Amino acid sequence: GALVYQYPRRTICKSGTSMRMECQAVGFQATSVAWYRQSPQKTFELIALSTVNSAIKYEQNFTQEKFPISHPNLSFSSMTVLNAYLEDRGLYLCGARDWGGGYEQYFGPGTRLTVL
Amino acid sequence: DAKTTQPDSMESTEGETVHLPCSHATISGNEYIYWYRQVPLQGPEYVTHGLQQNTTNSMAFLAIASDRKSSTLILPHVSLRDAAVYHCILRGYTEGADRLTFGKGTQLIIQP
Repeated sequence: GALVYQYPRRTICKSGTSMRMECQAVGFQATSVAWYRQSPQKTFELIALSTVNSAIKYEQNFTQEKFPISHPNLSFSSMTVLNAYLEDRGLYLCGARDWGGGYEQYFGPGTRLTVL
Repeated sequence: DAKTTQPDSMESTEGETVHLPCSHATISGNEYIYWYRQVPLQGPEYVTHGLQQNTTNSMAFLAIASDRKSSTLILPHVSLRDAAVYHCILRGYTEGADRLTFGKGTQLIIQP
């Protein structure tokens, strides 16, 4: 079956520091990877959409300078939160889809970021 | 902008059949109706999807109104494990296929 792993599951960082999170697709090819943030109030925000061999598209209010993303192959993506502050806390979700396999977007369990 | 409307919460009892409504009055012809559910500490899990015809799988039955302006996710014989937030999402065929717009969903509470 199609699975998405995210690492780490939880992380705590000091305000102003950076942290990197990873997303691994198993059992399918992650042609596209969407990174979301779910706030403590449970609302979702799409950060960016990454497609292998194509430019990464960031949504309004999110930039490459703040959330650099790497998507080097069909099974892996990573995102870094640079200079994290309190407003960056939340659950960061990776949703991956195989363009040749259907329309389901499979989600990982998320990386929960706490900023002190 | 929210394109779907769902009740904030619903409550049921184990063994009952639950009907979760979703309104999508501005749905366009190429948009599919997707349902995901999310339990605490986990990412969203795919439940089902449909375009025009009712669909069924091992998890749920999706009833779509003939005008496609509303749909109902039907969960038969719910158990405590079905307690989750259920999200109804519209998704384009190609454009926007990877941009899922989640609302707050419906919190389904199951009583033993």
